[in-house]
Amino acid sequence: DQQVKQNSPSLSVQEGRISILNCDYTNSMFDYFLWYKKYPAEGPTFLISISSIKDKNEDGRFTVFLNKSAKHLSLHIVPSQPGDSAVYFCAASEGSNTGKLIFGQGTTLQVKP
Amino acid sequence: EAQVTQNPRYLITVTGKKLTVTCSQNMNHEYMSWYRQDPGLGLRQIYYSMNVEVTDKGDVPEGYKVSRKEKRNFPLILESPSPNQTSLYFCASSPQGFGNTIYFGEGSWLTVV
Repeated sequence: DQQVKQNSPSLSVQEGRISILNCDYTNSMFDYFLWYKKYPAEGPTFLISISSIKDKNEDGRFTVFLNKSAKHLSLHIVPSQPGDSAVYFCAASEGSNTGKLIFGQGTTLQVKP
Repeated sequence: EAQVTQNPRYLITVTGKKLTVTCSQNMNHEYMSWYRQDPGLGLRQIYYSMNVEVTDKGDVPEGYKVSRKEKRNFPLILESPSPNQTSLYFCASSPQGFGNTIYFGEGSWLTVV
């Protein structure tokens, strides 16, 4: 059973517009969430994280929103750039210092010039 | 340069022939982990290690073994590979759990025929 789900396999947006990537989880014990970006032929790279004590975390063009009651988080990229085209994975864990990390299936973002 | 190095990067092997994928990090990280990436399933954790001589199962440990005899190395062992272990494998390390960023290796493409 997939505990972390990214229901949109792909997303296409125009350069300069907002990209919104969504992620749902089922395990109420998850309290730390991360987003990773992955380019082809490379390993994933960390993008941004959020603890369950917050509902928003911002880093430059990237903002992650957490809705605990809905067990939903989203990543907003504003403005989107062609270099943002990649696969985005959300991940969740029970605490920020545990070893077990559960990933979603990934969403492929294409930003068109 | 901070690195997580995996070897081999590409391998085609036959069913039942034992193989080891090595992983080494030069950042003195305590935490290391192995993941496999499969289409539609995202990244799934195989094993992780919080420190030397401490290893734990992830979500899909069947058919794999690991060891952590020294901090920098975390090899993944397939004692008797089967075709369903054909996948893209990533090793990762982090200073301590996920409170800090996780660094991923570039990936190892493994095909079992």
